[in-house]
Amino acid sequence: DIVLTQSPDSLAVSLGERASINCKSSQSVLFNSNSKNYLTWYRQKPGQPPKVLIYWASTRAPGVPDRFSGSGSGTDFTLTISSLQAEDVATYFCQQYYSAPLTFGGGTKVEIK
Amino acid sequence: QVQLQESGPGLVKPSETLSLTCSVSGGSISSSGYYWAWIRQPPGRGLEWIGSIYHSGSTYYNPSLKRRVTISVDTSKNEFSLKLNSVAAADTAVYYCASQEYYDNDFHWFDPWGQGTLVTVSS
Repeated sequence: DIVLTQSPDSLAVSLGERASINCKSSQSVLFNSNSKNYLTWYRQKPGQPPKVLIYWASTRAPGVPDRFSGSGSGTDFTLTISSLQAEDVATYFCQQYYSAPLTFGGGTKVEIK
Repeated sequence: QVQLQESGPGLVKPSETLSLTCSVSGGSISSSGYYWAWIRQPPGRGLEWIGSIYHSGSTYYNPSLKRRVTISVDTSKNEFSLKLNSVAAADTAVYYCASQEYYDNDFHWFDPWGQGTLVTVSS
C-alpha cells in the first residue's frame, strides 16, 4: 500500500497569511508514460464531506479560488493557500490514485491564529 | 451535477451486518467512465477507501476489508449498496458514497461525495 504522510498535523495561520501543507508518499505516484502525478487534495469543512481542490497534483478543480495551489512531483507534494480566508478553516487531505488500495493522508487541520 | 445520498440504519449491533444504500440523482449510474465508491471516516480521524463498483458489477475492494465487504449495484434504481459483515466498534464511522472517474484503466479522484451517514456499532 502507498502510505501518505502529511505534515504538520495542524497549523494556525493569521488571516491573509500563507499556509503550506506537505504530503509525502512512500513511493512515487508519478506515472512516467504520461508524466502525471496521481495525487489530489481535498478540503473538508466541519460537518461536511471532502471537496476536491486540486488534482494531478497541481490542477485546480473548477470553481476553486486561485489562492489554492498544488506543487511537487514524485513523492513530495505541497498544498499552498496564498492568503488564508476565514472559510478555509478546515481539515485538508491528500489522496493518491496511482494504485489500489487508494489511500489518503492523515489530514492537516488549519485554524485561524 | 450528480448528487449522491446515503441511507441506512444509524445503529448496528456488534457481529451483525452493516447495510447502506447510495442513491444517485442528476445522472445515470450506468454512465460510462464512472465508478461508484464507498469511503469511511471514523469520528475525528482520517479517510479510508472501502471499495468501488462499475455499473457492470466489476468491483475493487480495499484488501484490509475485502473479506467482510460486498458492494453491489442496481442500475434500475440508480443506486449502489454496501454490506459490511461481522462489524465491531472499530467500524463506527461516517460512511460516504462518491463518484469516481475511470479512464485509461486509471481510477481518479472522488467527486462529488454524498453528505455521509454516521453508523455506530454498539449493543
